[in-house]
This record gives sequence, C-alpha cells and structure tokens, in this order.
Amino acid sequence: AQTIHQWPVAEIKAVGSPLSLGCTIKGKSSPNLYWYWQATGGTLQQLFYSITVGQVESVVQLNLSASRPKDDQFILSTEKLLLSHSGFYLCAFRDWESSYEQYFGPGTRLTVL
Amino acid sequence: GDSVTQTEGQVTVSESKSLIINCTYSATSIAYPNLFWYVRYPGEGLQLLLKVITAGQKGSSRGFEATYNKETTSFHLQKASVQESDSAVYYCALSDRNAGAKLTFGGGTRLTVRP
Repeated sequence: AQTIHQWPVAEIKAVGSPLSLGCTIKGKSSPNLYWYWQATGGTLQQLFYSITVGQVESVVQLNLSASRPKDDQFILSTEKLLLSHSGFYLCAFRDWESSYEQYFGPGTRLTVL
Repeated sequence: GDSVTQTEGQVTVSESKSLIINCTYSATSIAYPNLFWYVRYPGEGLQLLLKVITAGQKGSSRGFEATYNKETTSFHLQKASVQESDSAVYYCALSDRNAGAKLTFGGGTRLTVRP
C-alpha cells in the first residue's frame, strides 16, 4: 500500500525567514506529485505538479518554488516567507491505475508571524 | 477558468435526517471533467469519498451518493440518513485527465450532525 508522509507537521516562522517543506511517497513508483495550499478560510488550490524527477511545473505564483530531487520526494521552499504564506500545505500523488483521483498527505500547518 | 461552487459553507442536520450538499461546476477548459467528493474528518487528512468520471453515472460510498449531471453541471452529495460520525468538512472537486491533473476545489461545506 502507498503511504505519503509530510514534514514537518507544523511550523511557526518569522517573516523573511526561509522555508522548506517535504513530502515522501512510498509504495508507488514514478508517481505524479502535487502541492496544494489552503489559506485560513480559503479554498484549496494547486501550486505545483511534477510528473518526473527534476521536472516541476508551476500553477500559481506565490513566491514559492518546488523541486523533485528523487522519484519519491517533493520539496516546497522559499528563501523569504511572507505573511500571506500562512496556511495549510498538502502534498498529493495521483494513481493512474485508479481513475485519476489524488491521494493526500496529512499536511503541514504553517504560521508566519 | 474552471470553478466549483458549494453554496453552503455550513450545514447542520439532526441525526437520522436526510442530507444534500450542493455542488455546481463550470468546466470551460475541460471537455470531460472528472468529479470528486473529498472529506476531512476532525483530526484526519483529506480523503476521497467518491468519484464519477462519466456524465450520467452515480458514485456512492459510505451511504453517500452523487450523480454527475452534465445538463445542470451539478454533482450534489446526498445521504438518506446521516450519523453523528458524518460530521466533517466536504469538498467537491473537478479535474481534467492530463498529467497536470489540477484538482479545482469548491470552498467546502462543514457538516455538523446533531445527536
């Protein structure tokens, strides 16, 4: 069975500080990977997706970047956090054998002060 | 662009009563959208409740069902008799079939079931 792990569970960071959030998928080779973000009271929106190692496509510009250094790993980062980056970050993968649905990790709660 | 609308941000229902959570969509850039309901129970992650990828078909899971209506562009979630354990936040979503497969979510509906 596939498992998806995100780290950290929660972060409290200062404005202007760097950020790195991680996501690892186990039990699924060459998955499509996605980052989503939900501001408090807002709607879930896709930020990035990756279909292979080293390739990442940006969907929404939020002064964030993403990388896929390994087949099972997806990293979300920025060098300078903004207050508007606060929210809930979800990593997901897509199972091609199961008709297009995406499976989500537990998420990371980010608070920028 | 594509969008999903859930008109009720919060719904409160008494246990054993019926439920309907409204969802309508606009898929201007997708010829054949896939439709989903996701649910987040308290303290848990976002999980798939049901999916339908063909217009006119019905999906069902855990007593919930939703029919993909292309004519009315709707995908309402229904349950005949809710339980307290159904209290959660429900999200309607659509996607295309490309590798990018962006899930476009509605704003979510928080369901509270009164005992």
